[in-house]
Amino acid sequence: AQSVTQLGSHVSVSEGALVLLRCNYSSSVPPYLFWYVQYPNQGLQLLLKYTSAATLVKGINGFEAEFKKSETSFHLTKPSAHMSDAAEYFCAVSSPSGNTGKLIFGQGTTLQVKP
Amino acid sequence: EADIYQTPRYLVIGTGKKITLECSQTMGHDKMYWYQQDPGMELHLIHYSYGVNSTEKGDLSSESTVSRIRTEHFPLTLESARPSHTSQYLCASKPDNLYGYTFGSGTRLTVV
Repeated sequence: AQSVTQLGSHVSVSEGALVLLRCNYSSSVPPYLFWYVQYPNQGLQLLLKYTSAATLVKGINGFEAEFKKSETSFHLTKPSAHMSDAAEYFCAVSSPSGNTGKLIFGQGTTLQVKP
Repeated sequence: EADIYQTPRYLVIGTGKKITLECSQTMGHDKMYWYQQDPGMELHLIHYSYGVNSTEKGDLSSESTVSRIRTEHFPLTLESARPSHTSQYLCASKPDNLYGYTFGSGTRLTVV
């Protein structure tokens, strides 16, 4: 079975500071991994995805994530936070085998950006 | 730009009423999904579909039902709404050959 754990339900950073949102996964097969962002009262928007190519993945809005198999991690980073980055962030895992394409989501991390 | 649409965005309804949440996508995706999201919580898969006339229950038990008569349309129905159904419902779709979903904006349902 697959699962995702996001460490820290709330993260607060100052504008301009480094953003680090942590995600660890559990999967019996090589996983596909995703980060989504959700702004208030909206659906989810894909930030980036890892699908077994380069382990360092660059996404939209200056975010990137690194797949570390030895640590079973896929942490999301951004060098300099903007006020507009304040949102809910979800890490998700999917299995490349099988046909369902189901995503298993973590509990989410709320990012607060202080002026 | 291709997209996925959910209506209504917000719905407040009385206990016992029948409701249908609409989800339509213009991308020709075969796979579609319904997720339930309580405030501040993770998303739980309640239904999915591989294509026309295909529906499956998800990981979280739900009293809702779905249908898939046309590729672009994947409505979710609650025959008798209860306060415990109060939640946000998110619809998503994906093409067969790619990973990662496209999500709709969600329907926030309140049952009073």
